[in-house]
Amino acid sequence: GQGVEQPAKLMSVEGTFARVNCTYSTSGFNGLSWYQQREGQAPVFLSYVVLDGLKDSGHFSTFLSRSNGYSYLLLTELQIKDSASYLCAVRIGSNYQLIWGSGTKLIIKP
Amino acid sequence: EAAVTQSPRNKVAVTGGKVTLSCNQTNNHNNMYWYRQDTGHGLRLIHYSYGAGSTEKGDIPDGYKASRPSQENFSLILELATPSQTSVYFCASGDGQGGQNTLYFGAGTRLSVL
Repeated sequence: GQGVEQPAKLMSVEGTFARVNCTYSTSGFNGLSWYQQREGQAPVFLSYVVLDGLKDSGHFSTFLSRSNGYSYLLLTELQIKDSASYLCAVRIGSNYQLIWGSGTKLIIKP
Repeated sequence: EAAVTQSPRNKVAVTGGKVTLSCNQTNNHNNMYWYRQDTGHGLRLIHYSYGAGSTEKGDIPDGYKASRPSQENFSLILELATPSQTSVYFCASGDGQGGQNTLYFGAGTRLSVL
């Protein structure tokens, strides 16, 4: 079946970096999006990738390898406020056809 | 600023009762969506709409109805609420333009069915 997988938790240290992984196995692929969701709040869009390679957006960078069904979100110079869940969603067809991972909770220690 | 507003933010309902969750968007987006979010699951699509008057079934529509009376408003209706429908519900809008289709989410409704 189709699926998007993310590790449940990731811990890192303030001032360093964190890489949030996402692997997918889907019948189609029309792009992959990352959202940030703080505790008790709504998901907020961070990044969208559809071509292989690294997309550098400053504090957040996104990598995609379509042949491997793999993406990661890289956060650099971590701040405590980056503590949140990060959701990965694969678009497989028309606008409504998104398959969401269950999210990775990033915990940042001082 | 564009916004998606949900009401109520919290709701306690009894089994067998009727529940209506409301969503209003000022983004002027054609597409609107209702998701539920449960621990250990990704966001799951219940119903969606391409515009006023249209509703379509998502991946888990059983036990839910939807209504889109206008561009701005999209409601989710639980005719006979059950404890398994206890969850956090998110409404979202999107313009569907291009490949990105960024979704803008409301703050969520926490529903408990007792």
